[in-house]
Amino acid sequence: QKEVEQNSGPLSVPEGAIASLNCTYSDRGSQSFFWYRQYSGKSPELIMFIYSNGDKEDGRFTAQLNKASQYVSLLIRDSQPSDSATYLCAVLGVGFNKFYFGSGTKLNVKP
Amino acid sequence: EAGVAQSPRYKIIEKRQSVAFWCNPISGHATLYWYQQILGQGPKLLIQFQNNGVVDDSQLPKDRFSAERLKGVDSTLKIQPAKLEDSAVYLCASSSGTSGAGYNEQFFGPGTRLTVL
Repeated sequence: QKEVEQNSGPLSVPEGAIASLNCTYSDRGSQSFFWYRQYSGKSPELIMFIYSNGDKEDGRFTAQLNKASQYVSLLIRDSQPSDSATYLCAVLGVGFNKFYFGSGTKLNVKP
Repeated sequence: EAGVAQSPRYKIIEKRQSVAFWCNPISGHATLYWYQQILGQGPKLLIQFQNNGVVDDSQLPKDRFSAERLKGVDSTLKIQPAKLEDSAVYLCASSSGTSGAGYNEQFFGPGTRLTVL
């Protein structure tokens, strides 16, 4: 079983819509959760992190965490073509800052 | 603040040849990571250093891969001999935190794209 699982997509949404990206993880002891954006041919860049159950909002982005269900999601409101990228979910394992990355979900925002 | 530096940016080699990648993390960052990212997949951790000590190398193919961070600053990742399946982007990242910290943002370098023919 993979540590972090994501639907590979592609997820296609029209411009202005809400994009919903999902991630599940296997280590119940995980404490911190991250969403990275990766444009084609570029390195991952951090969008948001969350470590408390519930929602965390930052501009057009909202991260949602449900530790009981071992589930974390990212909502992108008012999606823009510039949001088209692969979104990687990462989980911080217990001890020594070991990160597990999912395989990523490719998002296409159509003008 | 300068970012994570990596070199070379691209490398093409024949199978069974050797190759080395270099990474200079952000100044003061104690933790350094090497990841392998195969096309269409997420980054896979190869090795993690805390200062100049290895804290995790469980996914490093030790028969052909080696890495060092001798002075706790920059690091080198070597592949010898390379195989076709080693074709990937090798990402270096650094973070400032220590064990047990709740949040440690990783900053990634631009990566080295390796093609093994």
